[in-house]
Amino acid sequence: QSALTQPASVSGSPGQSITISCTGTSSDVGGYDYVSWYQQHPGKAPKLMIYDVNSRPSGVSNRFSGSKSGNTASLTISGLQAGDEADYFCSSYTDSNSYVFGTGTKVTVL
Amino acid sequence: QLQMQESGPGLVKPSETLSLTCTVSGGSISSSSYYWGWIRQPPGKGLEWIGSVYYSGSTYHNPSLKSRVTISIDTSKNQMSLKLSSVTAADTAVFYCARAHGGPPTGSHRLFDYWGQGILVTVSS
Repeated sequence: QSALTQPASVSGSPGQSITISCTGTSSDVGGYDYVSWYQQHPGKAPKLMIYDVNSRPSGVSNRFSGSKSGNTASLTISGLQAGDEADYFCSSYTDSNSYVFGTGTKVTVL
Repeated sequence: QLQMQESGPGLVKPSETLSLTCTVSGGSISSSSYYWGWIRQPPGKGLEWIGSVYYSGSTYHNPSLKSRVTISIDTSKNQMSLKLSSVTAADTAVFYCARAHGGPPTGSHRLFDYWGQGILVTVSS
């Protein structure tokens, strides 16, 4: 199975909004509403930020939001902060009871 | 608060079998609500789902690794384990265990909410 496609890097200034895309196929992103997003700081385990396309776990800031259109999902971070600088990975359930992650996006706060 | 902890050798020789254990505390691995998965991350690279196990012993695998992977669960010890055979340098990675929420259809994974801290396993002679 192929990894979902994300841009290698996205950057923004503090206070700005950025959007990270995650492109798959009709067998994964387009076929199920089981898209989630993870934040990973260097040397740390991933942290769940968004699940089921646009739901936030308890404790995650409402500055993080998710959406999906067709085979592409998106994560938007509004009011960008220094602490948001990290790697972000999307993921999706796929056909045949499998699970796939995205290629990852490095977010830089300028 | 659920906690997960990976353990095992940090160094494995090429062609041998990598064996890791994940111990779950603060919750039961026998819960019918969750799956228990393994994810790896080569240094400086992205995440790769290896596979998952259900409390019943049912397993789900990444098709690209399926022939080399064995995942099992020991509910009496609240542990699950991973065996990856015939390893090469390309299998060098940080290995994480994590808890997955399922949803319809059976076997689907919606998200991973709790993760272990990860263990670095290096494949080298």
